[in-house]
Amino acid sequence: DAGVTQSPTHLIKTRGQQVTLRCSPKSGHDTVSWYQQALGQGPQFIFQYYEEEERQRGNFPDRFSGHQFPNYSSELNVNALLLGDSALYLCASSSRTSGAIPYEQYFGPGTRLTVT
Amino acid sequence: AQKVTQAQTEISVVEKEDVTLDCVYETRDTTYYLFWYKQPPSGELVFLIRRNSFDEQNEISGRYSWNFQKSTSSFNFTITASQVVDSAVYFCALSPAGGYQKVTFGTGTKLQVIP
Repeated sequence: DAGVTQSPTHLIKTRGQQVTLRCSPKSGHDTVSWYQQALGQGPQFIFQYYEEEERQRGNFPDRFSGHQFPNYSSELNVNALLLGDSALYLCASSSRTSGAIPYEQYFGPGTRLTVT
Repeated sequence: AQKVTQAQTEISVVEKEDVTLDCVYETRDTTYYLFWYKQPPSGELVFLIRRNSFDEQNEISGRYSWNFQKSTSSFNFTITASQVVDSAVYFCALSPAGGYQKVTFGTGTKLQVIP
């Protein structure tokens, strides 16, 4: 049973560019959340997707956007990259269906984004 | 607004010692969930425990135990007889119950277990 997978593992971008990160949830999960973890800090909630809609959003500017596909996979897009966007981006999946343990999120290994 | 405070930035212990990681939280929600996650050097967050706000019973899982005290808004984590493999960053987190999750993490405590 594959866990949460993310791609790419590492990414280097230049300030002002745009980036797309991808996440495939754990099998059986239908909800995807994205987090930004700066070096030495705890993860910061970006947003959560369920049924292809953004359901919750943290304090992140509109430069951060996302999408969820019918197969529950998700993308995180960041436009007009700033140096401060350099971080580890974590994807977490969970399930809202009956029988699943609510609020138990499984995290992927993350994508390390470096903005130069 | 939610807030999670982990005042201990780094802790070093000698193998086999017991260690307690502190977590204090703030929330206006009447029902909520508390979590602990482990982040080893590989970077992947590993779920350790989830606790409902209405269940203050302490929990023990092997060498791990958790002390939830609603009166002091604390959810502390104790590792008994620490091992080198316990070396990692540990995060406490908080989420409102119901609706869609918006999990708030603390800044983490880096635990180093010295052989």
